[in-house]
Amino acid sequence: EAGVAQSPRYKIIEKRQSVAFWCNPISGHATLYWYQQILGQGPKLLIQFQNNGVVDDSQLPKDRFSAERLKGVDSTLKIQPAKLEDSAVYLCASSLSYTGTQFFGPGTRLTVL
Amino acid sequence: GQQLNQSPQSMFIQEGEDVSMNCTSSSIFNTWLWYKQDPGEGPVLLIALYKAGELTSNGRLTAQFGITRKDSFLNISASIPSDVGIYFCAGGSGETSGSRLTFGEGTQLTVNP
Repeated sequence: EAGVAQSPRYKIIEKRQSVAFWCNPISGHATLYWYQQILGQGPKLLIQFQNNGVVDDSQLPKDRFSAERLKGVDSTLKIQPAKLEDSAVYLCASSLSYTGTQFFGPGTRLTVL
Repeated sequence: GQQLNQSPQSMFIQEGEDVSMNCTSSSIFNTWLWYKQDPGEGPVLLIALYKAGELTSNGRLTAQFGITRKDSFLNISASIPSDVGIYFCAGGSGETSGSRLTFGEGTQLTVNP
């Protein structure tokens, strides 16, 4: 069974630029999560989708971050404009349902200069 | 918000030694999970705990869900070089492993052959 796919794996941008990350969850998984992991810290949940609806986005900085999962399958996370403190690994995870075990992708490492 | 205190931050041990790490919180969690993260990869679930007082083993790993529901520990017996990595505890606010997770800061484990 294929795991959670993420792209790109690495991205370097300058501050105030925009960036987008893509995630394709495990086939059939209804729940999708985006996490931010700053170096030396544990992952922090940004947003959780159940199919194409948002379940929890209470920790998403909505002034600059947005995410969508239009068809309830793959998802895109966008940052516009990026700040230096956005440098982190962005992890996508999926689970069969909101009660199921979360499986993580390899992450996208973002560096903002 | 909820916070987890994970200790120790790092450990340097010899192959064959046993390892113990723990997480504490001022908040009650309904589930406790332990993940391992290798460089450049997302976290992988090792053990999930669902009931206060529960003691669960997975091979050389043993974890316990504290009676107060505010703490958990993970033991690794007879460590081997491939145990190297960062171990994260995570507290779940729901009653399943798929519920909203709060992660600890991680324990970096180094095993010397």
